Amino acid sequence: KAGVTQTPRYLIKTRGQQVTLSCSPISGHRSVSWYQQTPGQGLQFLFEYFSETQRNKGNFPGRFSGRQFSNSRSEMNVSTLELGDSALYLCASLEGPGRNSPLHFGNGTRLTVT
Amino acid sequence: GENVEQHPSTLSVQEGDSAVIKCTYSDSASNYFPWYKQELGKGPQLIIDIRSNVGEKKDQRIAVTLNKTAKHFSLHITETQPEDSAVYFCAASLGSNSGYALNFGKGTSLLVTP
Repeated sequence: KAGVTQTPRYLIKTRGQQVTLSCSPISGHRSVSWYQQTPGQGLQFLFEYFSETQRNKGNFPGRFSGRQFSNSRSEMNVSTLELGDSALYLCASLEGPGRNSPLHFGNGTRLTVT
Repeated sequence: GENVEQHPSTLSVQEGDSAVIKCTYSDSASNYFPWYKQELGKGPQLIIDIRSNVGEKKDQRIAVTLNKTAKHFSLHITETQPEDSAVYFCAASLGSNSGYALNFGKGTSLLVTP
């Protein structure tokens, strides 16, 4: 099986712009989560989608949003970019239905805001 | 808020020695504890996990122990090899009533020298 696929791998944007990141989960996985990774804050949960519905949300401002499509693919959007949004954005898909299921990550999208 | 503390932040061992990484968590509702290995330029890779109804789990050179009473869990790597060099993250499931999220430690940078 192919792993979690994220596109693009790298992005450079300027302050005030918006950006959309894309994620394709492992085939058959219905839950997709997004995490932000920075050197200072580490890995932080953004949100989780299951069957096109946001099921859980982390403590991030409303500039961060996401959605999931009927084929389980997901996108996240960041509007009005700030310098502090520079980070590695990781998408992950959940192997099973329950909260004890393994989470599998993609290789991320490296976003640089200048 | 709920958090996961991870120690040490850096660890250097000689090839063949053992490495131990320790984590503590605060959310009493956490019941799933995965460990991830992250190599440069890649996303976190799940290496082992443990559920709250188990005290210990082993997979070849890797073992994880869990003490739910003390809210401690640890990763043990025996007979370390240079390819074990990476950043390791512990995580604990968040006890949310809906959805799925993991709370991550800040990571341990492990260096195995030949």
